Amino acid sequence: KAGVTQTPRYLIKTRGQQVTLSCSPISGHRSVSWYQQTPGQGLQFLFEYFSETQRNKGNFPGRFSGRQFSNSRSEMNVSTLELGDSALYLCASSLSHGSYEQYFGPGTRLTVT
Amino acid sequence: AQSVTQLGSHVSVSEGALVLLRCNYSSSVPPYLFWYVQYPNQGLQLLLKYTSAATLVKGINGFEAEFKKSETSFHLTKPSAHMSDAAEYFCAVLGSSNTGKLIFGQGTTLQVKP
Repeated sequence: KAGVTQTPRYLIKTRGQQVTLSCSPISGHRSVSWYQQTPGQGLQFLFEYFSETQRNKGNFPGRFSGRQFSNSRSEMNVSTLELGDSALYLCASSLSHGSYEQYFGPGTRLTVT
Repeated sequence: AQSVTQLGSHVSVSEGALVLLRCNYSSSVPPYLFWYVQYPNQGLQLLLKYTSAATLVKGINGFEAEFKKSETSFHLTKPSAHMSDAAEYFCAVLGSSNTGKLIFGQGTTLQVKP
């Protein structure tokens, strides 16, 4: 069974631009969570989607948004990029909302210049 | 609110020596606890999980962890370190109400010396 895939793997953007990251969960998994990983703040939860609905949200500004499609694929969008948004963005899939185990993708490395 | 503290941002051991990575948690409800490993330029891989069954949990690659409620600890151990164990390790607790939110510790980088 294929794992979680994230595209693109690497991205370079300029301050003020917007970016969209994509995540395809493991087949049969319906919940997708997003995390930001930085050297200073570590791993921080962004949001979780299940059945095309945001079920939980972390403490991030409104510039960070996401959505989930009927096939469980998810996208996250960051608008008006700031230098501090440079990070590894990880997507994790799980069977359902509230499932214990989350399986992570390889991440998208975003660099904002 | 849940939180996780990993004691020691860097741990160095010799190949063949015992690996001990420390994790303490804070939770107002019975916790679900996890250890993940991250190799350079990769995502997180689940090593093992505690979900209120056996207190001694065995995971992949020879790792195990023991849940000790009295000490609010969930330390990760491996009897004999291999060079391939060098990586960053994260302890995590599942947020309250099983919301799909993992709360991570700051991570411990394990160095294995030949």
